[in-house]
Amino acid sequence: DAKTTQPTSMDCAEGRAANLPCNHSTISGNEYVYWYRQIHSQGPQYIIHGLKNNETNEMASLIITEDRKSSTLILPHATLRDTAVYYCIVRVATGANSKLTFGKGITLSVRP
Amino acid sequence: GAVVSQHPSWVICKSGTSVKIECRSLDFQATTMFWYRQFPKQSLMLMATSNEGSKATYEQGVEKDKFLINHASLTLSTLTVTSAHPEDSSFYICSARDSKGRLGANVLTFGAGSRLTVL
Repeated sequence: DAKTTQPTSMDCAEGRAANLPCNHSTISGNEYVYWYRQIHSQGPQYIIHGLKNNETNEMASLIITEDRKSSTLILPHATLRDTAVYYCIVRVATGANSKLTFGKGITLSVRP
Repeated sequence: GAVVSQHPSWVICKSGTSVKIECRSLDFQATTMFWYRQFPKQSLMLMATSNEGSKATYEQGVEKDKFLINHASLTLSTLTVTSAHPEDSSFYICSARDSKGRLGANVLTFGAGSRLTVL
């Protein structure tokens, strides 16, 4: 799996956009970028994933650079409930037994 | 949406006893489930891959005789911590992938986790 690098932590004000960066300079052509988050003492929650095009869903937007070496997860209007550890994971999509390996993630703190 | 249920959500047991944790996919079939362990202030560590109808695949350093995994149906996998000791106290989390891939490529749904405390 391609390695990802994320800052250790960041914070943002409630109601503002939270932009969470991720570097994956060794990503292969068939590897997707996945984002999950883990709120304290809960199981991880899937947020979004993409291959090379920007993606948007009801939770967030994913912006992938043209060279695919980095990406940014955007929470457009952060709320206090978005405080969590966010994991950026790069993995191939195929393979029945493909597994997700979690790094340390970035701790997002949303302040009132 | 896809839901994975874990039971129990927390358990306290005496040292030397065995504890079973269940992981169920409620509205989809999962031929493959994954078991993770998480210690305080650390990230999730993959323990094993649970395959329906066959033996689980364990990650390096995880004792298969201590952490028994059974995946007897397309919606249920169990993790049994045998002869538990205080160092086994941790947060155990399972995840599953929809066999039909309706959620998207390689997207996993996670359970809420089971917190084990061994006295």
